[in-house]
Amino acid sequence: DTAVSQTPKYLVTQMGNDKSIKCEQNLGHDTMYWYKQDSKKFLKIMFSYNNKELIINETVPNRFSPKSPDKAHLNLHINSLELGDSAVYFCASSRYLSGGLRKNTEAFFGQGTRLTVV
Amino acid sequence: SQQGEEDPQALSIQEGENATMNCSYKTSINNLQWYRQNSGRGLVHLILIRSNEREKHSGRLRVTLDTSKKSSSLLITASRAADTASYFCATDSGGTSYGKLTFGQGTILTVHP
Repeated sequence: DTAVSQTPKYLVTQMGNDKSIKCEQNLGHDTMYWYKQDSKKFLKIMFSYNNKELIINETVPNRFSPKSPDKAHLNLHINSLELGDSAVYFCASSRYLSGGLRKNTEAFFGQGTRLTVV
Repeated sequence: SQQGEEDPQALSIQEGENATMNCSYKTSINNLQWYRQNSGRGLVHLILIRSNEREKHSGRLRVTLDTSKKSSSLLITASRAADTASYFCATDSGGTSYGKLTFGQGTILTVHP
């Protein structure tokens, strides 16, 4: 069973289009993230959700709108796609709290969605 | 802002040799983690070291952490061709970060058979 799965794996689209990437985790984690990896392989946090609540929004253009319908899902919708949005987008999850205590736990990453805007 | 710097940016060794990668960071941390990324794949967690720990081992991996110098190193002993990948350090600053990770630029490791 895949722990963190995201779809699609590849996405090629034209400038100006709107697209969505979906992510699901079956680990029972309470926190989910979107990271962006650029062409130089640099990874940067975009958003973080804890129990469906937006916690972190790292100065991402408002064309990017995450949505978390429940704790196991975090989707990313991108409006009016631009050439500079081309990158690999990774979904991840981790367990932030357990029994009310903060845990030092690793993040589990999906396989990534390679978005190419032409 | 980018937290970590890693060096070297690229490392090429022969099978059986040891590989050492270094990571420096700028702010205080709750823990530091190392991840591996094979080409075209997602990131896989390797090891986590807490801020109050100095050294940790896992199989052929050895991680050290020096919080006074804000640096960490990852040693892979007896490397194999299958270890060829990019390696990233990532810091969790704790507090209200909710496990947000700040990544270094990564080291590309090539192990020649």
